[in-house]
Amino acid sequence: DAGVIQSPRHEVTEMGQEVTLRCKPISGHNSLFWYRQTMMRGLELLIYFNNNVPIDDSGMPEDRFSAKMPNASFSTLKIQPSEPRDSAVYFCASSLFGLSTDTQYFGPGTRLTVL
Amino acid sequence: DAKTTQPTSMDCAEGRAANLPCNHSTISGNEYVYWYRQIHSQGPQYIIHGLKNNETNEMASLIITEDRKSSTLILPHATLRDTAVYYCIVRVSSNTGNQFYFGTGTSLTVIP
Repeated sequence: DAGVIQSPRHEVTEMGQEVTLRCKPISGHNSLFWYRQTMMRGLELLIYFNNNVPIDDSGMPEDRFSAKMPNASFSTLKIQPSEPRDSAVYFCASSLFGLSTDTQYFGPGTRLTVL
Repeated sequence: DAKTTQPTSMDCAEGRAANLPCNHSTISGNEYVYWYRQIHSQGPQYIIHGLKNNETNEMASLIITEDRKSSTLILPHATLRDTAVYYCIVRVSSNTGNQFYFGTGTSLTVIP
């Protein structure tokens, strides 16, 4: 199993540009999570999906952020327009919800720098 | 709402056991305790989890107190590669999903 795949691994963009981060969860998993990590705020949950449906997006900072999961094997996190304060490492994780325990497996992350 | 309290940092001599404490005094009866670690620049890595009983796997042991208000992660023979930030997490469950709330973690440094 290839694990959770994220792309790109690094993204440098200018303020005001649209940024799209991509995630492919582990095959067979039905829950997907987007996290953001910064030095100041640590690891924060942004949004998570069960069976492709967004369940809780209360962590999404503002309307500039949006996430979609069109099918079980793909999700995107979009920032439009991007701002320097969005610079962070964004992690995607997946798990198999429905069991008594569901371990989240994390991808390698996308390091976003907004100039 | 991290729901857990951990020391900010700890040191451990290489080859010795590393004991990482965690307080979770508000844990509910059906909430699991999970431990993850994050090596610099990588995604968090699952280590172990438990509900009531002590657990052991190839990476570590998890000791949970009888009242479940605290736990200890034990790395039996720490190596330099175990230097990382260790997160103790209480999994919050609902009918629609399970959420992990990461706190600030413990930065473990294994010293040669």
